[in-house]
Amino acid sequence: NAGVMQNPRHLVRRRGQEARLRCSPMKGHSHVYWYRQLPEEGLKFMVYLQKENIIDESGMPKERFSAEFPKEGPSILRIQQVVRGDSAAYFCASSTYSGTLREQFFGPGTRLTVL
Amino acid sequence: TQLLEQSPQFLSIQEGENLTVYCNSSSVFSSLQWYRQEPGEGPVLLVTVVTGGEVKKLKRLTFQFGDARKDSSLHITAAQPGDTGLYLCAVHFDTNAGKSTFGDGTTLTVKP
Repeated sequence: NAGVMQNPRHLVRRRGQEARLRCSPMKGHSHVYWYRQLPEEGLKFMVYLQKENIIDESGMPKERFSAEFPKEGPSILRIQQVVRGDSAAYFCASSTYSGTLREQFFGPGTRLTVL
Repeated sequence: TQLLEQSPQFLSIQEGENLTVYCNSSSVFSSLQWYRQEPGEGPVLLVTVVTGGEVKKLKRLTFQFGDARKDSSLHITAAQPGDTGLYLCAVHFDTNAGKSTFGDGTTLTVKP
């Protein structure tokens, strides 16, 4: 069984374009998390979603960024009107709800480059 | 603000040496995970600790959770080049919180 799937693995956009990043959680997982990582830094939390619900978006920039996790299909992180500062690796993780454990399993990431 | 600090930031050692990396928080946390990340890949979960004072072993890796639930350490015995990578700790500060707070990691290089 595949783990967390993310696509595309690499994405190049010009300033002002839109970027769409997809994440399919592990089978049986209904919780999805998005993180951003800059070079040689840790992961910064962006948003936490369950099916059709945004649970915590405290790490999302107020403008241009949005996320969804529809009833059917993958979770989508959308960045509108990208700027060079959006260049980073974006990771998706998924988990089952397991109380204090809440172990998150990560996908391989999407590396976004904004020209 | 709940801070999570990892030290050292960079560590370069020879094959066969032992090492310890640390993860410290300003607040008590409910659980902690250690991850290892290789370049171009996502973090891979190594271990989860939830009980203060807990010690877990994974082959040559020993993980310790502080009694006060504010710190943890990862000790590697007889390091090998395959241990090279970025070691990240991640915590949940609130049992009801979904998100993990990550440290900035320790970049380990093991030279043959």
